Formats: sequence, C-alpha cells, structure tokens
Amino acid sequence: KAGVTQTPRYLIKTRGQQVTLSCSPISGHRSVSWYQQTPGQGLQFLFEYFSETQRNKGNFPGRFSGRQFSNSRSEMNVSTLELGDSALYLCASWLGPDPTGELFFGEGSRLTVL
Amino acid sequence: GQNIDQPTEMTATEGAIVQINCTYQTSGFNGLFWYQQHAGEAPTFLSYNVLDGLEEKGRFSSFLSRSKGYSYLLLKELQMKDSASYLCAVRVDNYSGAGSYQLTFGKGTKLSVIP
Repeated sequence: KAGVTQTPRYLIKTRGQQVTLSCSPISGHRSVSWYQQTPGQGLQFLFEYFSETQRNKGNFPGRFSGRQFSNSRSEMNVSTLELGDSALYLCASWLGPDPTGELFFGEGSRLTVL
Repeated sequence: GQNIDQPTEMTATEGAIVQINCTYQTSGFNGLFWYQQHAGEAPTFLSYNVLDGLEEKGRFSSFLSRSKGYSYLLLKELQMKDSASYLCAVRVDNYSGAGSYQLTFGKGTKLSVIP
C-alpha cells in the first residue's frame, strides 16, 4: 500500500513569507502528527490530529498552525517565516486513535528559509 | 517537562554487538519507541515497549525498565547497512484532552559501522 506522502519535498522561501505543507496519510489511517527535525534539536513535536480534531500541540509559536480534513489529509502552515524555521518537517500517520504500534513517517518536506 | 538522553555518536565494527542506551525523565509515561533513520530518509519503526523487560525481534532487541527510566536498543551481528541514527521516543499521555498524547524524541544516536 502507498506510504505517507508529503508535498512538496523541497522548498525555499524568504523571511516573512508563509508556507503550507501537505501530508496524505496511509489509506485508512485517521491519526496524523507533525514534527520538526533540525540537527541541533532533533525531532520536536508540533501537532497531533485525529478525525479532524487537534488533540495536542507542542511548544511552538502561534505562527505554526495546522488542520486535518475529513479525508484525513493534513496541512500545516507557517506564517511570517524566520531563518530558524529552516528544517525538515515530518508527518507521521497511524490507524488511531492510540499510538500503541508503529507510526509511519513520510519522507518529509525540507524547508529552507533565506 | 520531558528529558530524554542518548549518546550522540557511537562506532562499532561489522559483525559485533552494540547497545544504545536511552534514559528519560517524564511524567505521564506510557511507552517507549525506537526508530531508525538513515540519512535523508524517513524514520522507520523498530520497537515499542510498554512493559518492563526485553523484546527481541531478529537482530534487534529492546529493553525497558520503567522504574529506572531506562531503555536500550541492542543490535547484534552488525551490518554496514545498520549505519544510521537511532531515535528513542517516549510516549507521554496528556490528560488535558481525551485521548491526547505526544511522542517526545531524543536527539538520536548516530551509529557508524566500520569494516
């Protein structure tokens, strides 16, 4: 079956712009979470969604937002981009609602902010 | 808050055994994951421990001691393809919302397997 699909894979933005990243989970998976990965900080939790509801949010500023659609696809948006937002953004999906098993990660969207 | 520690880098020889440790301090603990991530690729699931003890899966084994806040990943018969980062992640249940939780990851251990 198809894995978790994230688009775009690579993108370059400038400071002050905004960006929207998309995540299509594995078919049938209803839970999606987002992580930011940087060399210095590792993977940091952004949000978690189940059935269109945000159940949890990490310690990121309000510039970071997300949503989940009825087909379980999810998007995250970062507004007023800063240089420090340059990172790999990873999405993970699972059947839900409880992550007692494997989380399936996408390849990520690599964002560079100039 | 949560604090997860694992060594930054390790080097081991092909065919050998290596143990990657992970210690954690957290409230609401409800399980520990190990993931493998090759450079430029997505993390892939290795194991999930909830109860104390050792779980073996082929060449990989994972151990958990909840009372000590300690886990390790044991890799046997190392192969060159095992060169990767190994991520320890703790599941923390957040009781502020029904069913809400999050995974908190360590910064990862970069393992280099040499001939």
